Amino acid sequence: LAKTTQPISMDSYEGQEVNITCSHNNIATNDYITWYQQFPSQGPRFIIQGYKTKVTNEVASLFIPADRKSSTLSLPRVSLSDTAVYYCLVGDGSNSGYALNFGKGTSLLVTP
Amino acid sequence: DTAVSQTPKYLVTQMGNDKSIKCEQNLGHDTMYWYKQDSKKFLKIMFSYNNKELIINETVPNRFSPKSPDKAHLNLHINSLELGDSAVYFCASSQGGNPNYGYTFGSGTRLTVV
Repeated sequence: LAKTTQPISMDSYEGQEVNITCSHNNIATNDYITWYQQFPSQGPRFIIQGYKTKVTNEVASLFIPADRKSSTLSLPRVSLSDTAVYYCLVGDGSNSGYALNFGKGTSLLVTP
Repeated sequence: DTAVSQTPKYLVTQMGNDKSIKCEQNLGHDTMYWYKQDSKKFLKIMFSYNNKELIINETVPNRFSPKSPDKAHLNLHINSLELGDSAVYFCASSQGGNPNYGYTFGSGTRLTVV
């Protein structure tokens, strides 16, 4: 399984763009990159997923360089409610039937 | 409607007791999981069930046993509870065992062993 490395914590002010980078140097050819968000006292929630280049949805954008050894989750104009822990997961694209450990994630604090 | 629901939300019990946590999903997913989140916020896979078969069993103590009466339910039974079992336990589901399909999590059960 590809190991991921993320910053432990980040701080931001409301209205700013936040970029959280995840390193996954040994990502395999079939691996996808998935980001989850977890609020206190809740389970993680799927945010976005990508394989290469750029993916955008109503919540975030995901930038993946050509070598795929890292990825960046971009949250535009964050609000206080974006304060949460963000997890980067890298997994195999085959239906291998295994599940992933989430690691510690990045704790984002948004302040006024 | 809650997609993945777990009960109870909080559970306080004494060492040595046996307890169960229930999980139900109404998404029609065929794979369900149990995760443990410790005080350091690591979220670690414990078990997964696909079509009523255990397909992953990480190195957890055999005091923990998953039970799946049907595809929509995956309960977690814990025998002889220990202080170190205190954590938040999350149930999740997905379509297929492929993590790329995305997990849907329940809201967690905070277990405190005293």
